[in-house]
Amino acid sequence: ELKVEQNPLFLSMQEGKNYTIYCNYSTTSDRLYWYRQDPGKSLESLFVLLSNGAVKQEGRLMASLDTKARLSTLHITAAVHDLSATYFCAVDMSWGKFQFGAGTQVVVTP
Amino acid sequence: GAVVSQHPSRVICKSGTSVKIECRSLDFQATTMFWYRQFPKQSLMLMATSNEGSKATYEQGVEKDKFLINHASLTLSTLTVTSAHPEDSSFYICSAGTGFSYNEQFFGPGTRLTVL
Repeated sequence: ELKVEQNPLFLSMQEGKNYTIYCNYSTTSDRLYWYRQDPGKSLESLFVLLSNGAVKQEGRLMASLDTKARLSTLHITAAVHDLSATYFCAVDMSWGKFQFGAGTQVVVTP
Repeated sequence: GAVVSQHPSRVICKSGTSVKIECRSLDFQATTMFWYRQFPKQSLMLMATSNEGSKATYEQGVEKDKFLINHASLTLSTLTVTSAHPEDSSFYICSAGTGFSYNEQFFGPGTRLTVL
């Protein structure tokens, strides 16, 4: 059974500082996705990572994938309040069937 | 981009009644859709895979007779929660993919079910 472990589960960030969320998974996969979820809302797609060494950046967020280590990271640069949300990584088990991490609740404070 | 809609967005029902939730792919055809359930402060758990024209595939521990799935067309899947009980109260989210390249899934806005 594929396991997807995300950590930390909760992250209190200070505005302006940098942080990283980690996503480890237990079986081979070269498709990993990052999503953002605001309270009461559904998922917003952030990044699609499709190969070993993939790196994608959007604004203050950057995601990378190391398929050999079975590790993806989501790096937040100079956190701002707007980034407060819950972030999920998800691994494609097969044909769009996703296994999600537990989620990281991010709270950014001044 | 691909859009997935869900209806209703929120439903409150009495215990023992049945509730139907619709998931539609608005601008693409989806031979496969997925249904997830999310309890408060928890992650999304896959319930079942909905296949157009055939029976749904349920994950271990999900009662197929309680959560009826029908994928009547390439743009519509429905989830019916039968004889709902308070423990079925949850956020239900569907996803669908265009079937191209890398299986990216597009998620619906979710349906908040509250069973009294």
